Amino acid sequence: KAGVTQTPRYLIKTRGQQVTLSCSPISGHRSVSWYQQTPGQGLQFLFEYFSETQRNKGNFPGRFSGRQFSNSRSEMNVSTLELGDSALYLCASRWTSGGNYEQYFGPGTRLTVT
Amino acid sequence: ILNVEQSPQSLHVQEGDSTNFTCSFPSSNFYALHWYRWETAKSPEALFVMTLNGDEKKKGRISATLNTKEGYSYLYIKGSQPEDSATYLCAQAGNNAGNMLTFGGGTRLMVKP
Repeated sequence: KAGVTQTPRYLIKTRGQQVTLSCSPISGHRSVSWYQQTPGQGLQFLFEYFSETQRNKGNFPGRFSGRQFSNSRSEMNVSTLELGDSALYLCASRWTSGGNYEQYFGPGTRLTVT
Repeated sequence: ILNVEQSPQSLHVQEGDSTNFTCSFPSSNFYALHWYRWETAKSPEALFVMTLNGDEKKKGRISATLNTKEGYSYLYIKGSQPEDSATYLCAQAGNNAGNMLTFGGGTRLMVKP
Protein backbone atom coordinates (compact mmCIF):
# COMPACT_ATOMS: atom_id res chain seq x y z
CA LYS A 1 0.00 0.00 0.00
CA ALA A 2 1.48 3.37 -0.97
CA GLY A 3 2.24 5.73 1.88
CA VAL A 4 1.28 9.35 2.36
CA THR A 5 2.80 11.54 -0.33
CA GLN A 6 3.42 15.26 -0.24
CA THR A 7 4.34 17.62 -3.02
CA PRO A 8 6.47 19.51 -3.53
CA ARG A 9 9.20 18.29 -1.19
CA TYR A 10 11.07 21.58 -1.18
CA LEU A 11 9.92 25.10 -1.91
CA ILE A 12 11.47 28.55 -1.75
CA LYS A 13 9.18 31.58 -1.69
CA THR A 14 9.51 35.27 -1.04
CA ARG A 15 7.81 37.23 1.73
CA GLY A 16 4.33 38.33 0.73
CA GLN A 17 3.78 35.50 -1.74
CA GLN A 18 1.36 32.67 -1.21
CA VAL A 19 1.99 28.94 -1.39
CA THR A 20 -0.07 25.79 -1.81
CA LEU A 21 1.09 22.42 -0.54
CA SER A 22 -0.48 19.10 -1.46
CA CYS A 23 -1.01 15.87 0.44
CA SER A 24 -2.29 12.54 -0.87
CA PRO A 25 -3.32 10.21 1.95
CA ILE A 26 -3.05 6.46 2.07
CA SER A 27 -5.75 4.86 -0.05
CA GLY A 28 -8.91 4.48 2.01
CA HIS A 29 -7.91 7.07 4.59
CA ARG A 30 -10.42 9.89 4.85
CA SER A 31 -8.88 12.04 7.57
CA VAL A 32 -5.95 14.33 6.79
CA SER A 33 -4.20 16.47 9.40
CA TRP A 34 -1.54 19.10 8.83
CA TYR A 35 1.33 19.99 11.16
CA GLN A 36 4.04 22.63 11.15
CA GLN A 37 7.48 21.86 12.53
CA THR A 38 9.89 24.65 13.41
CA PRO A 39 13.06 24.40 15.49
CA GLY A 40 11.66 26.63 18.19
CA GLN A 41 8.11 25.32 18.44
CA GLY A 42 8.37 21.66 17.55
CA LEU A 43 5.46 19.96 15.81
CA GLN A 44 2.24 21.99 15.98
CA PHE A 45 -1.21 21.00 14.81
CA LEU A 46 -2.64 23.18 12.05
CA PHE A 47 -5.96 21.60 11.08
CA GLU A 48 -7.74 18.37 10.26
CA TYR A 49 -10.04 17.57 7.37
CA PHE A 50 -12.47 14.72 7.11
CA SER A 51 -14.97 14.16 4.30
CA GLU A 52 -14.10 17.55 2.79
CA THR A 53 -14.91 19.36 6.06
CA GLN A 54 -12.53 21.01 8.47
CA ARG A 55 -13.07 19.22 11.78
CA ASN A 56 -10.47 20.83 13.99
CA LYS A 57 -8.19 23.83 13.82
CA GLY A 58 -5.05 24.69 15.74
CA ASN A 59 -3.94 28.08 16.94
CA PHE A 60 -2.72 29.58 13.67
CA PRO A 61 -3.66 32.84 11.95
CA GLY A 62 -6.22 32.96 9.18
CA ARG A 63 -3.42 33.14 6.58
CA PHE A 64 -3.25 29.36 6.96
CA SER A 65 -6.10 27.56 5.29
CA GLY A 66 -6.79 24.22 3.75
CA ARG A 67 -9.27 22.12 1.90
CA GLN A 68 -9.97 18.52 1.10
CA PHE A 69 -11.25 17.05 -2.12
CA SER A 70 -13.70 14.22 -2.66
CA ASN A 71 -10.81 11.79 -3.21
CA SER A 72 -9.47 12.77 0.26
CA ARG A 73 -6.46 14.58 -1.15
CA SER A 74 -5.82 17.76 0.78
CA GLU A 75 -4.14 21.07 0.13
CA MET A 76 -3.01 23.71 2.52
CA ASN A 77 -2.48 27.31 1.54
CA VAL A 78 -0.49 30.02 3.25
CA SER A 79 -1.11 33.55 2.04
CA THR A 80 1.08 36.60 2.56
CA LEU A 81 4.08 34.57 3.59
CA GLU A 82 6.24 35.72 6.49
CA LEU A 83 9.80 34.72 7.32
CA GLY A 84 8.48 32.83 10.34
CA ASP A 85 6.48 30.54 8.08
CA SER A 86 9.70 28.82 7.08
CA ALA A 87 9.19 25.31 8.37
CA LEU A 88 8.68 21.67 7.58
CA TYR A 89 5.00 21.03 6.87
CA LEU A 90 3.83 17.48 7.51
CA CYS A 91 0.56 15.92 6.69
CA ALA A 92 -0.79 12.77 8.28
CA SER A 93 -3.67 10.54 7.35
CA ARG A 94 -5.82 7.97 9.09
CA TRP A 95 -8.84 6.09 7.98
CA THR A 96 -11.34 7.89 10.19
CA SER A 97 -11.67 11.10 12.15
CA GLY A 98 -12.93 9.49 15.35
CA GLY A 99 -11.29 6.87 17.51
CA ASN A 100 -7.81 6.51 18.86
CA TYR A 101 -5.99 5.43 15.76
CA GLU A 102 -2.42 6.10 14.81
CA GLN A 103 -1.65 8.65 12.16
CA TYR A 104 0.53 7.95 9.13
CA PHE A 105 2.83 10.80 8.22
CA GLY A 106 4.15 11.91 4.88
CA PRO A 107 7.76 12.99 4.28
CA GLY A 108 6.92 16.67 4.54
CA THR A 109 7.38 19.79 2.46
CA ARG A 110 10.28 22.02 3.46
CA LEU A 111 9.23 25.64 2.90
CA THR A 112 11.81 28.40 2.99
CA VAL A 113 10.62 32.01 2.95
CA THR A 114 13.23 34.61 2.02
CA ILE B 1 -3.79 24.32 25.30
CA LEU B 2 -2.03 21.11 26.33
CA ASN B 3 1.55 21.17 27.56
CA VAL B 4 3.42 17.97 26.76
CA GLU B 5 7.00 17.69 27.93
CA GLN B 6 9.64 15.09 27.22
CA SER B 7 12.87 14.32 29.00
CA PRO B 8 15.69 14.08 28.45
CA GLN B 9 16.06 16.20 25.30
CA SER B 10 18.85 13.96 24.08
CA LEU B 11 20.50 10.75 25.09
CA HIS B 12 23.69 9.01 24.01
CA VAL B 13 23.97 5.31 24.80
CA GLN B 14 26.18 2.43 23.77
CA GLU B 15 24.90 -0.43 21.67
CA GLY B 16 23.36 -3.01 23.95
CA ASP B 17 22.36 -0.55 26.67
CA SER B 18 18.75 -0.39 27.72
CA THR B 19 17.25 3.04 28.02
CA ASN B 20 14.05 4.84 28.86
CA PHE B 21 12.61 8.30 28.54
CA THR B 22 9.64 10.17 29.88
CA CYS B 23 6.63 11.99 28.50
CA SER B 24 4.67 14.21 30.90
CA PHE B 25 1.23 15.55 30.08
CA PRO B 26 -1.78 17.13 31.81
CA SER B 27 -3.74 14.38 33.52
CA SER B 28 -7.10 16.14 33.32
CA ASN B 29 -9.35 15.46 30.29
CA PHE B 30 -7.09 12.71 29.03
CA TYR B 31 -8.05 11.03 25.74
CA ALA B 32 -5.03 9.28 24.24
CA LEU B 33 -1.25 9.32 24.19
CA HIS B 34 0.72 8.57 21.02
CA TRP B 35 4.38 7.63 20.62
CA TYR B 36 6.21 8.15 17.32
CA ARG B 37 9.74 7.46 16.13
CA TRP B 38 11.23 9.96 13.69
CA GLU B 39 14.41 9.03 11.91
CA THR B 40 16.35 11.71 10.08
CA ALA B 41 15.13 12.27 6.51
CA LYS B 42 12.17 9.95 7.03
CA SER B 43 8.53 10.33 8.06
CA PRO B 44 7.47 9.99 11.70
CA GLU B 45 6.44 6.39 12.32
CA ALA B 46 3.73 5.45 14.79
CA LEU B 47 4.83 3.20 17.63
CA PHE B 48 1.91 3.10 20.05
CA VAL B 49 -1.45 4.67 20.81
CA MET B 50 -2.37 4.30 24.47
CA THR B 51 -5.65 5.18 26.07
CA LEU B 52 -6.15 3.38 29.37
CA ASN B 53 -4.44 4.01 32.69
CA GLY B 54 -1.97 1.19 33.29
CA ASP B 55 -1.71 0.38 29.57
CA GLU B 56 1.48 -1.41 28.60
CA LYS B 57 2.31 -1.91 24.94
CA LYS B 58 5.24 -3.66 23.30
CA LYS B 59 6.69 -3.81 19.81
CA GLY B 60 9.87 -5.85 19.56
CA ARG B 61 12.44 -4.35 21.92
CA ILE B 62 10.39 -1.20 22.50
CA SER B 63 7.69 -0.96 25.14
CA ALA B 64 5.67 1.81 26.74
CA THR B 65 3.63 2.32 29.87
CA LEU B 66 0.94 4.85 30.67
CA ASN B 67 -0.16 6.49 33.92
CA THR B 68 -3.03 8.84 33.22
CA LYS B 69 -3.67 9.67 36.88
CA GLU B 70 -0.27 11.22 37.38
CA GLY B 71 0.21 12.28 33.76
CA TYR B 72 3.23 10.41 32.46
CA SER B 73 4.27 7.72 30.03
CA TYR B 74 7.58 5.90 29.80
CA LEU B 75 9.15 4.50 26.64
CA TYR B 76 11.68 1.71 27.12
CA ILE B 77 14.16 0.35 24.62
CA LYS B 78 15.82 -2.91 25.57
CA GLY B 79 19.29 -3.63 24.16
CA SER B 80 19.58 -0.47 22.03
CA GLN B 81 20.88 -0.89 18.50
CA PRO B 82 22.35 1.77 16.19
CA GLU B 83 19.19 1.56 14.08
CA ASP B 84 17.21 2.76 17.12
CA SER B 85 18.87 6.16 16.72
CA ALA B 86 16.03 8.59 16.11
CA THR B 87 13.92 11.24 17.78
CA TYR B 88 11.10 9.78 19.86
CA LEU B 89 8.02 11.94 20.10
CA CYS B 90 5.01 11.64 22.32
CA ALA B 91 1.75 13.43 21.61
CA GLN B 92 -1.48 13.85 23.52
CA ALA B 93 -4.82 13.84 21.74
CA GLY B 94 -6.76 17.03 22.35
CA ASN B 95 -10.25 15.66 22.15
CA ASN B 96 -12.28 12.49 22.38
CA ALA B 97 -12.00 12.00 18.64
CA GLY B 98 -8.38 11.13 19.24
CA ASN B 99 -6.92 13.80 17.04
CA MET B 100 -5.56 17.34 17.42
CA LEU B 101 -2.28 15.97 18.67
CA THR B 102 -0.09 18.16 20.87
CA PHE B 103 3.50 16.97 20.58
CA GLY B 104 6.29 17.12 23.09
CA GLY B 105 9.69 18.40 22.05
CA GLY B 106 11.03 14.89 21.57
CA THR B 107 13.95 12.88 22.92
CA ARG B 108 16.81 12.47 20.50
CA LEU B 109 18.44 9.07 20.98
CA MET B 110 21.87 8.27 19.57
CA VAL B 111 23.15 4.72 19.89
CA LYS B 112 26.88 4.27 19.38
CA PRO B 113 28.10 0.96 17.95
